[in-house]
Amino acid sequence: DAGVIQSPRHEVTEMGQEVTLRCKPISGHNSLFWYRQTMMRGLELLIYFNNNVPIDDSGMPEDRFSAKMPNASFSTLKIQPSEPRDSAVYFCASRQGEDQPQHFGDGTRLSIL
Amino acid sequence: GNSVTQMEGPVTLSEEAFLTINCTYTATGYPSLFWYVQYPGEGLQLLLKATKADDKGSNKGFEATYRKETTSFHLEKGSVQVSDSAVYFCALISGSARQLTFGSGTQLTVLP
Repeated sequence: DAGVIQSPRHEVTEMGQEVTLRCKPISGHNSLFWYRQTMMRGLELLIYFNNNVPIDDSGMPEDRFSAKMPNASFSTLKIQPSEPRDSAVYFCASRQGEDQPQHFGDGTRLSIL
Repeated sequence: GNSVTQMEGPVTLSEEAFLTINCTYTATGYPSLFWYVQYPGEGLQLLLKATKADDKGSNKGFEATYRKETTSFHLEKGSVQVSDSAVYFCALISGSARQLTFGSGTQLTVLP
């Protein structure tokens, strides 16, 4: 079991640039979640997918944020244009069924200068 | 709506001390309850869970009992180790949304 794989682990870029975060869920898991973690706001759910379909994106902060899941084994979270307040650790998680626990990746630490 | 309230940290203990991290919840229906642990530089890992009242979840010496009457799921360990230093999150799933609702996390530091 390879676990949830996120890339890159670290990203440093200048404000205004486009940022793309990637996630590969555990094979066979049918739900995928994107979270943002900051000291000020803790762990926030941004969006989640069920069977590749976005179910709830109410946590996406602004139109600058978008997420896609083109197939069961890949998802992206994109920020365009990026701003310094987007600096955070972004986690992806997946689960096999509604009552199963979520499995988290190691996160992407994003710094926007 | 659903909510989880954890005791605020940080918590600092000496090795072999007894640990309690309080967690209470508000939920619709009958929630499933979880404790997750986050080690430095890593994602959250499931530590233990309980899916119905009076269930006790346990793992790695940690325990938590689902108390419906007090709407609580306190995390305990009899003798902590330096390697237990991490952030601990209480969480629940309930209702039709089936999403995890997390507490704010409690930072634990265990000193040798």
